[in-house]
Amino acid sequence: QSVLTQPPSASGTPGQRVTISCSGSSSNIGSKYVYWYQQFPGTAPKLLIYRNNQRPSGVPDRFSGSKSGTSASLAISGLRSEDEADYYCAAWDDSLSGWVFGGGTKLTVL
Amino acid sequence: QAQLLESGPGLVKPSETLSLTCTVFGDSIGGFYWSWIRQPPGKGLEWIGSIYYSGSTNYNPSLKSRVTISVDTSKNQFSLKLSSVTAADTAVYYCARGGHSSGWGSWFDPWGQGTLVTVSS
Repeated sequence: QSVLTQPPSASGTPGQRVTISCSGSSSNIGSKYVYWYQQFPGTAPKLLIYRNNQRPSGVPDRFSGSKSGTSASLAISGLRSEDEADYYCAAWDDSLSGWVFGGGTKLTVL
Repeated sequence: QAQLLESGPGLVKPSETLSLTCTVFGDSIGGFYWSWIRQPPGKGLEWIGSIYYSGSTNYNPSLKSRVTISVDTSKNQFSLKLSSVTAADTAVYYCARGGHSSGWGSWFDPWGQGTLVTVSS
């Protein structure tokens, strides 16, 4: 059972907008930055969003992050087949004094 | 841009100690936090612990009794030791830059390619 809760799966058709949610508590998302990582099968995770809504250089602006209260969301607009991957949210947790991850969401492009 | 590479045995016997090293290329290990994260086959990510280049550490409470992370700045490396391993410790182990609780660069980026460690007799 992960500290941060994500839906196990999400899907959309090419061109659609898809959102992935990440639910936490006041000790993590509610008071700390949220980060999102993208992972393709057999490869290492890659930073996708940092500090709630900032994109690293090279990440398309189709990817955006937001946070409200104890929940965060990753939105992918103009969905493309190459976006099919696993997505993880993460945050520092003050109660645990450590980093916590969501269980991951497998995105399928239909 | 820094590149990280994990190295160590791919097979460890139950009850023994898992030992991995992460070598940092293209950047100095100084001035940053460095972390170990693992992923059991088919499962999600789990933070193991982090170390500052000066040597201060922070561990996952669920693993703290079995984990030691150390740093060797002269070799631009940091290492993980996990004792008394069981089959539940079978996972791909990643090293990454980052891991401080807050501040610029606290996030995990970049990551090593990962190394699969299997615990089996």
